[in-house]
Amino acid sequence: GDSVTQMEGPVTLSEEAFLTINCTYTATGYPSLFWYVQYPGEGLQLLLKATKADDKGSNKGFEATYRKETTSFHLEKGSVQVSDSAVYFCALSDQGGATNKLIFGTGTLLAVQP
Amino acid sequence: DAGITQSPRHKVTETGTPVTLRCHQTENHRYMYWYRQDPGHGLRLIHYSYGVKDTDKGEVSDGYSVSRSKTEDFLLTLESATSSQTSVYFCAISAAGTGGETQYFGPGTRLLVL
Repeated sequence: GDSVTQMEGPVTLSEEAFLTINCTYTATGYPSLFWYVQYPGEGLQLLLKATKADDKGSNKGFEATYRKETTSFHLEKGSVQVSDSAVYFCALSDQGGATNKLIFGTGTLLAVQP
Repeated sequence: DAGITQSPRHKVTETGTPVTLRCHQTENHRYMYWYRQDPGHGLRLIHYSYGVKDTDKGEVSDGYSVSRSKTEDFLLTLESATSSQTSVYFCAISAAGTGGETQYFGPGTRLLVL
């Protein structure tokens, strides 16, 4: 079945460092891909999404490009801040299916130190 | 903000007792979902609904039942709670937007089964 694999954390960075969180997927159809962020004690918030190959999603300085040839959707940010400390989840959804169910990766904890 | 509330936000119960969690939405979305979040597993789908009285099982449905008698409310019931059901439970809705459907999450319910 469909699946999502994320790099294990925690990822610890200093403020203003470059961030990459790797995400790869396995899917039989043509999924949409998502990054969600969960700040401490809160629910999940949509960070960005991409719905077809070569699409780039971006928000709050974060970017991810839908790479069909490598089945990847890596999250990047050029300069992280302490306020970016959170758990980041990669997810896919088969938009062609009837239910739009999401399949999540296990999450990556990012800790940014001042 | 997709107008999703969950109640209660926190609950402590004892093994063998029934527990009902409520998800309420204000924007008339057709699809609603219940997930559980556990360390090392990300979020996993328990049940979902595609309309009033229309529900189906997700990946981890054993020990859970759901009901949807009104569009705005989706109830998750643990018939006889077990310690393995200690988790954080998230409700989500699916909303149409640019590029297809996107899921938005409620704030979560933290359940401890003693």
